[in-house]
Amino acid sequence: EIVLTQSPATLSLSPGERATLSCRASQSVSSYLAWYQQKPGQAPRLVIYDASDRATGIPARFSGSGSGTDFTLTISSLEPEDFAVYYCHQRSNWPFTFGPGTKVDIK
Amino acid sequence: EVQLLESGGGLVQPGGSLRLSCAASGFTFSSYAMSWVRQAPGKGLEWVSVISGTDSTNYADSVKGRFTVSRDNSKNTLYLQMNSLRAEDTAMYYCASIGGATYFDDWGQGTLVTVSS
Repeated sequence: EIVLTQSPATLSLSPGERATLSCRASQSVSSYLAWYQQKPGQAPRLVIYDASDRATGIPARFSGSGSGTDFTLTISSLEPEDFAVYYCHQRSNWPFTFGPGTKVDIK
Repeated sequence: EVQLLESGGGLVQPGGSLRLSCAASGFTFSSYAMSWVRQAPGKGLEWVSVISGTDSTNYADSVKGRFTVSRDNSKNTLYLQMNSLRAEDTAMYYCASIGGATYFDDWGQGTLVTVSS
C-alpha cells in the first residue's frame, strides 16, 4: 500500500498570503495524484488532478506541481473561502489511498 | 448538474448489516465507474470500494469479504451491502463518481453509519 504523508498538519495564514502544502508518497505514483478540499460539514471537492491540472471551476490561484514521490499544492493568495482541510490522493496503485490532510486555518 | 444522494445509514449493532444506496442523476450513470469513500468522525478519508461500468469491483483490505458493492444501471443507483459490521466501520459514507481521469470527480453529501451496541 502506498502511504501518503502530508505536511504541515496545520498551516495558519492570513487572507492574501501564499499557502504551500506538501504531499510525499512512500513510492512513486508518477503523476497520478490529486488534491481535494473539504470544508466542515461538507463533502470533499476535487481541486487538482494528475498532479497539476485544475478541476472544473477551480480558480487559477490554485496550482499543483510534482511527480514521482513529492508533490505541492500552492494557493497563491488565500481567499476567505479557501480555509479548509486539503487531502492528497493517489490512484497509481491499488488500494487507492489518501494522505492525512493539511488544515489551512486563519491566523 | 450531477447529483449523488446517499441513503440507508443509521445505527446498527456490531455484527449487523446495512445496505447503503446512492441515487445518481445529471450524467450517464452506466458509463461511469463509481466508488465509496468513508470518513470516521474527526478523521481523514478512506477509500472503501469501486465498481466499473462493466461491474468489475475492488475493495480496501479493511472491508474485503464483508462489504459488497453493486449497481443497477436501470435505476441509476449504486449500492453498498455491509455485513459483519464493526465499531471501526462507524463513519460518514460518501459515494463518488470517477471521471475520465480516474479521480473522484463528484461526491454526494454522505450518509452516516454508526456501529454501536
